Amino acid sequence: EAAVTQSPRNKVTVTGGNVTLSCRQTNSHNYMYWYRQDTGHGLRLIHYSYGAGNLQIGDVPDGYKATRTTQEDFFLLLELASPSQTSLYFCASSHRGRTEVFFGKGTRLTVV
Amino acid sequence: TQTVSQSDAHVTVFEGDSVELRCNYSYGGSIYLSWYIQHHGHGLQFLLKYYSGNPVVQGVNGFEAEFSKSDSSFHLRKASVHWSDSAVYFCAVSANYNQGKLIFGQGTKLSIKP
Repeated sequence: EAAVTQSPRNKVTVTGGNVTLSCRQTNSHNYMYWYRQDTGHGLRLIHYSYGAGNLQIGDVPDGYKATRTTQEDFFLLLELASPSQTSLYFCASSHRGRTEVFFGKGTRLTVV
Repeated sequence: TQTVSQSDAHVTVFEGDSVELRCNYSYGGSIYLSWYIQHHGHGLQFLLKYYSGNPVVQGVNGFEAEFSKSDSSFHLRKASVHWSDSAVYFCAVSANYNQGKLIFGQGTKLSIKP
């Protein structure tokens, strides 16, 4: 089974702070995704990537940057964190964009 | 605009009961429909998917879902639930040209009474 590992699992930062969320997948999937999960909204796609060096804009990209440095590693960057970005963030991966997507355990981010 | 609607935020049943979790979608073009389960404190796990063919698809742990084009629905069912089925269930839709780019419903929390 594909393994998707996120770090940190919990993070607290101040408004205006700089945060990087990390994700590594070890099943050679080429597609990777960042979602945020908020009560009443389900999961919403922030950014995704087809492979190393590629970045695609998702449905809620404002305030986020992302970078895919290798096949395995996908990072989400919040350069000026705001309280509205307090959320549960999930990284996920899939093979060639297939509908069976494998999720990490999530990173809970709190911006105070 | 693609939308997925799960009308029930919370469903409670007794262990051994049958359950149906509802999902309706609005999407133009060829799509994949899928269901995911999220146990408390964990990420989402794939249950099943539908693209074409038999409108009833089987998933893991006795779950099945039925596609209806006329109703724009993809409801999830289980004949006899177990306490371990307590979780949040998400319905999702994706275009056939980018199956992994999922649009999720709001989720339905399934609680099982002993």
